[in-house]
Amino acid sequence: AQSVTQLDSQVPVFEEAPVELRCNYSSSVSVYLFWYVQYPNQGLQLLLKYLSGSTLVKGINGFEAEFNKSQTSFHLRKPSVHISDTAEYFCAVTVRQGAQKLVFGQGTRLTINP
Amino acid sequence: DSGVTQTPKHLITATGQRVTLRCSPRSGDLSVYWYQQSLDQGLQFLIHYYNGEERAKGNILERFSAQQFPDLHSELNLSSLELGDSALYFCASSVEMNSPLHFGNGTRLTVT
Repeated sequence: AQSVTQLDSQVPVFEEAPVELRCNYSSSVSVYLFWYVQYPNQGLQLLLKYLSGSTLVKGINGFEAEFNKSQTSFHLRKPSVHISDTAEYFCAVTVRQGAQKLVFGQGTRLTINP
Repeated sequence: DSGVTQTPKHLITATGQRVTLRCSPRSGDLSVYWYQQSLDQGLQFLIHYYNGEERAKGNILERFSAQQFPDLHSELNLSSLELGDSALYFCASSVEMNSPLHFGNGTRLTVT
Protein backbone atom coordinates (compact mmCIF):
# COMPACT_ATOMS: atom_id res chain seq x y z
CA ALA A 1 0.00 0.00 0.00
CA GLN A 2 1.13 3.52 -0.66
CA SER A 3 1.95 6.01 2.08
CA VAL A 4 3.06 9.61 2.43
CA THR A 5 5.29 11.28 5.00
CA GLN A 6 5.39 15.02 5.41
CA LEU A 7 8.53 15.66 7.35
CA ASP A 8 7.54 18.95 8.97
CA SER A 9 4.30 19.46 10.86
CA GLN A 10 4.85 23.22 11.08
CA VAL A 11 6.95 25.63 9.03
CA PRO A 12 7.18 29.29 10.03
CA VAL A 13 8.77 31.69 7.53
CA PHE A 14 8.95 35.42 7.02
CA GLU A 15 7.06 37.13 4.25
CA GLU A 16 8.91 37.23 0.91
CA ALA A 17 11.28 34.45 2.02
CA PRO A 18 11.52 31.18 0.06
CA VAL A 19 9.92 28.04 1.44
CA GLU A 20 10.17 24.28 0.88
CA LEU A 21 7.66 21.81 2.26
CA ARG A 22 8.98 18.28 2.22
CA CYS A 23 7.11 15.16 1.15
CA ASN A 24 8.29 11.58 0.78
CA TYR A 25 6.17 8.74 -0.47
CA SER A 26 6.30 4.98 -0.42
CA SER A 27 4.82 2.68 -3.04
CA SER A 28 5.76 -0.55 -4.78
CA VAL A 29 4.14 0.61 -8.03
CA SER A 30 4.04 3.76 -10.13
CA VAL A 31 2.19 6.66 -8.61
CA TYR A 32 0.54 9.99 -9.23
CA LEU A 33 1.43 12.76 -6.78
CA PHE A 34 -0.48 15.83 -5.65
CA TRP A 35 -0.23 18.83 -3.37
CA TYR A 36 -3.40 20.30 -1.89
CA VAL A 37 -3.90 23.41 0.24
CA GLN A 38 -6.50 23.89 2.94
CA TYR A 39 -7.39 27.38 4.12
CA PRO A 40 -9.19 27.76 7.48
CA ASN A 41 -12.76 26.44 7.48
CA GLN A 42 -12.54 25.33 3.88
CA GLY A 43 -12.10 22.16 1.90
CA LEU A 44 -8.92 21.22 0.09
CA GLN A 45 -7.88 22.84 -3.18
CA LEU A 46 -5.53 21.32 -5.70
CA LEU A 47 -2.21 23.21 -5.95
CA LEU A 48 -0.47 20.99 -8.49
CA LYS A 49 -0.14 17.44 -9.71
CA TYR A 50 2.45 15.11 -11.19
CA LEU A 51 1.04 12.51 -13.56
CA SER A 52 3.89 11.97 -16.02
CA GLY A 53 6.44 13.83 -18.13
CA SER A 54 8.54 16.68 -16.79
CA THR A 55 9.53 16.13 -13.19
CA LEU A 56 9.17 19.84 -12.40
CA VAL A 57 5.53 20.80 -12.17
CA LYS A 58 4.14 24.26 -11.71
CA GLY A 59 0.93 24.98 -9.89
CA ILE A 60 -1.26 27.84 -8.84
CA ASN A 61 -0.19 30.77 -6.66
CA GLY A 62 3.46 30.51 -7.73
CA PHE A 63 4.08 27.08 -6.22
CA GLU A 64 6.10 24.34 -7.91
CA ALA A 65 7.18 20.83 -6.99
CA GLU A 66 9.80 18.42 -8.23
CA PHE A 67 9.25 14.69 -8.53
CA ASN A 68 12.38 12.73 -7.63
CA LYS A 69 11.86 9.04 -8.24
CA SER A 70 15.21 7.90 -6.84
CA GLN A 71 14.58 9.72 -3.57
CA THR A 72 10.82 9.06 -3.64
CA SER A 73 10.20 12.71 -2.90
CA PHE A 74 7.85 15.41 -4.12
CA HIS A 75 8.87 18.60 -2.32
CA LEU A 76 6.83 21.77 -2.70
CA ARG A 77 8.58 25.12 -3.16
CA LYS A 78 7.81 28.78 -3.54
CA PRO A 79 10.55 31.40 -4.07
CA SER A 80 8.78 34.21 -2.21
CA VAL A 81 5.81 33.66 0.11
CA HIS A 82 2.99 36.01 0.95
CA ILE A 83 0.87 36.37 4.07
CA SER A 84 -2.02 34.85 2.13
CA ASP A 85 -0.07 31.58 1.76
CA THR A 86 -0.70 30.83 5.42
CA ALA A 87 -2.57 27.52 5.32
CA GLU A 88 -2.25 23.76 5.77
CA TYR A 89 -0.57 21.92 2.91
CA PHE A 90 -1.14 18.25 2.15
CA CYS A 91 0.89 15.94 -0.05
CA ALA A 92 -1.04 13.00 -1.50
CA VAL A 93 -0.35 9.89 -3.57
CA THR A 94 -2.40 7.40 -5.52
CA VAL A 95 -1.33 4.39 -7.53
CA ARG A 96 -1.65 4.53 -11.31
CA GLN A 97 -3.57 1.28 -11.49
CA GLY A 98 -5.67 -0.72 -9.11
CA ALA A 99 -7.80 0.49 -6.23
CA GLN A 100 -8.27 4.22 -6.51
CA LYS A 101 -7.74 5.90 -3.21
CA LEU A 102 -5.84 9.10 -2.63
CA VAL A 103 -3.69 8.80 0.48
CA PHE A 104 -2.75 12.02 2.26
CA GLY A 105 0.16 12.96 4.45
CA GLN A 106 -0.42 14.46 7.90
CA GLY A 107 -0.13 17.98 6.60
CA THR A 108 2.28 20.87 7.09
CA ARG A 109 1.04 24.08 8.63
CA LEU A 110 2.74 26.99 6.88
CA THR A 111 2.73 30.22 8.86
CA ILE A 112 3.91 33.40 7.21
CA ASN A 113 5.13 36.11 9.56
CA PRO A 114 5.35 39.77 8.51
CA ASP B 1 -16.18 27.33 -5.36
CA SER B 2 -15.27 23.70 -6.12
CA GLY B 3 -18.77 22.80 -7.32
CA VAL B 4 -19.06 20.05 -4.69
CA THR B 5 -21.90 20.62 -2.24
CA GLN B 6 -22.06 19.06 1.18
CA THR B 7 -24.98 19.27 3.60
CA PRO B 8 -25.37 19.98 6.40
CA LYS B 9 -22.40 22.21 7.25
CA HIS B 10 -22.66 21.46 10.94
CA LEU B 11 -24.25 18.61 12.85
CA ILE B 12 -24.45 18.18 16.60
CA THR B 13 -25.84 14.95 17.92
CA ALA B 14 -25.65 12.59 20.88
CA THR B 15 -23.82 9.33 21.31
CA GLY B 16 -25.70 6.33 20.00
CA GLN B 17 -27.52 8.33 17.34
CA ARG B 18 -27.48 7.94 13.55
CA VAL B 19 -26.80 10.69 11.01
CA THR B 20 -26.68 11.01 7.24
CA LEU B 21 -24.26 13.29 5.43
CA ARG B 22 -25.04 14.26 1.87
CA CYS B 23 -22.78 15.13 -1.04
CA SER B 24 -23.58 16.44 -4.51
CA PRO B 25 -20.56 16.11 -6.81
CA ARG B 26 -19.53 18.56 -9.49
CA SER B 27 -21.62 18.35 -12.61
CA GLY B 28 -20.24 15.58 -14.79
CA ASP B 29 -18.08 13.96 -12.12
CA LEU B 30 -18.66 10.23 -11.76
CA SER B 31 -16.34 9.54 -8.82
CA VAL B 32 -17.18 10.41 -5.23
CA TYR B 33 -14.79 9.99 -2.32
CA TRP B 34 -15.40 10.36 1.41
CA TYR B 35 -12.71 11.42 3.87
CA GLN B 36 -12.65 11.93 7.62
CA GLN B 37 -10.42 14.68 9.03
CA SER B 38 -9.57 14.76 12.71
CA LEU B 39 -6.74 16.32 14.66
CA ASP B 40 -5.20 13.04 15.74
CA GLN B 41 -5.77 10.95 12.60
CA GLY B 42 -5.37 13.57 9.88
CA LEU B 43 -7.17 12.98 6.58
CA GLN B 44 -8.36 9.39 6.40
CA PHE B 45 -9.80 7.89 3.24
CA LEU B 46 -13.10 6.19 3.90
CA ILE B 47 -14.61 5.02 0.63
CA HIS B 48 -14.74 5.65 -3.12
CA TYR B 49 -17.68 5.23 -5.48
CA TYR B 50 -17.58 5.42 -9.26
CA ASN B 51 -20.83 5.72 -11.18
CA GLY B 52 -22.81 4.05 -8.44
CA GLU B 53 -20.38 1.23 -7.69
CA GLU B 54 -18.05 0.92 -4.72
CA ARG B 55 -14.43 0.95 -5.99
CA ALA B 56 -12.22 1.19 -2.93
CA LYS B 57 -12.55 1.05 0.81
CA GLY B 58 -10.27 2.58 3.37
CA ASN B 59 -10.47 2.85 7.13
CA ILE B 60 -14.24 2.85 7.25
CA LEU B 61 -15.85 1.43 10.38
CA GLU B 62 -18.60 -1.17 10.14
CA ARG B 63 -20.93 1.36 11.79
CA PHE B 64 -20.45 3.59 8.73
CA SER B 65 -21.91 2.96 5.30
CA ALA B 66 -22.21 4.89 2.09
CA GLN B 67 -23.88 4.75 -1.27
CA GLN B 68 -23.97 6.62 -4.55
CA PHE B 69 -27.33 7.06 -6.18
CA PRO B 70 -28.25 7.03 -9.91
CA ASP B 71 -28.16 10.84 -9.98
CA LEU B 72 -24.56 10.50 -8.66
CA HIS B 73 -25.12 12.18 -5.32
CA SER B 74 -23.78 10.26 -2.36
CA GLU B 75 -24.70 9.75 1.26
CA LEU B 76 -22.54 8.71 4.17
CA ASN B 77 -24.44 7.10 7.03
CA LEU B 78 -22.90 7.05 10.49
CA SER B 79 -24.64 4.99 13.17
CA SER B 80 -24.18 4.18 16.87
CA LEU B 81 -22.17 7.37 17.08
CA GLU B 82 -19.32 7.65 19.57
CA LEU B 83 -17.49 10.70 20.88
CA GLY B 84 -14.50 9.73 18.75
CA ASP B 85 -16.55 10.10 15.57
CA SER B 86 -16.48 13.86 16.01
CA ALA B 87 -14.59 15.15 12.97
CA LEU B 88 -14.82 16.97 9.68
CA TYR B 89 -16.19 14.76 6.94
CA PHE B 90 -15.23 15.73 3.42
CA CYS B 91 -16.67 14.62 0.15
CA ALA B 92 -14.65 14.99 -3.03
CA SER B 93 -15.45 14.27 -6.65
CA SER B 94 -13.53 13.76 -9.86
CA VAL B 95 -14.46 13.18 -13.47
CA GLU B 96 -12.39 10.01 -13.75
CA MET B 97 -10.73 7.74 -11.25
CA ASN B 98 -7.25 9.23 -11.59
CA SER B 99 -8.27 12.84 -12.03
CA PRO B 100 -7.57 15.43 -9.32
CA LEU B 101 -10.18 15.62 -6.60
CA HIS B 102 -12.43 18.59 -5.98
CA PHE B 103 -13.41 18.89 -2.35
CA GLY B 104 -16.53 20.20 -0.72
CA ASN B 105 -16.32 22.41 2.36
CA GLY B 106 -17.08 19.51 4.67
CA THR B 107 -19.61 18.63 7.33
CA ARG B 108 -18.45 19.22 10.88
CA LEU B 109 -19.90 16.50 13.09
CA THR B 110 -19.89 16.95 16.85
CA VAL B 111 -20.97 14.02 18.99
CA THR B 112 -21.80 14.93 22.58
